[in-house]
Amino acid sequence: QTVVTQEPSFSVSPGGTVTLTCGLSSGSVSTSYYPSWYQQTPGQAPRTLIYTTNTRSSGVPDRFSGSILGNKAALTITGAQAEDESDYYCVLYMGGGIWVFGGGTKVTVL
Amino acid sequence: QVQLVESGGGVVQPGGSLRLSCAASGFTFSSYNMHWVRQAPGKGLEWVAFIQYDGNNKQYAESVKGQFTVTRDNSKNTLYLQMNSLRPEDTAVYYCAKDQGGGSCSFDYWGQGTLVTVSS
Repeated sequence: QTVVTQEPSFSVSPGGTVTLTCGLSSGSVSTSYYPSWYQQTPGQAPRTLIYTTNTRSSGVPDRFSGSILGNKAALTITGAQAEDESDYYCVLYMGGGIWVFGGGTKVTVL
Repeated sequence: QVQLVESGGGVVQPGGSLRLSCAASGFTFSSYNMHWVRQAPGKGLEWVAFIQYDGNNKQYAESVKGQFTVTRDNSKNTLYLQMNSLRPEDTAVYYCAKDQGGGSCSFDYWGQGTLVTVSS
């Protein structure tokens, strides 16, 4: 069974930069997995940040960027702000109409 | 503007059934693939099911295959999730999500979710 891996937590200082990654238990993530990223605050529905690796969703600040770094997909927050404190999830398309979410990364801004 | 409104959640006993609905508006529902995603209390997101825009292709996570059925009524702009033989581990907030389209294989809009609690 394919497992999508994410760091459980990250801490970043206000104005700092943090890079979250999204990997596979076996193999490398490429653009062919159409990685996308979602932000969720407690009690709220997820919000779409990035799709097809590096395309920002409408209204998403440009401090959020997506990429492939090595063998993983990555979400970078450049110039973190207090309101960026959230859970972040990646999801990979496995083909055949199947998607798998990572376990999520809790980002603390302090 | 795009709106997705889930309903049908509630408390059900183990072994019971429930049907969730997702009413869509603000876009041409019949042109877009749709998804169900769930989140157990205190846990992460889990993709549950996909249905093609015309209902002709459906896919499920292994954890719900044979137990859940996704359908849609394009004349009513509504997505459904029929859940049978429910187990305590199916307790979660269930979200419907619109596929981004254009071959992006991602989700763009989400509903607010409906809570399903499986408990005796």
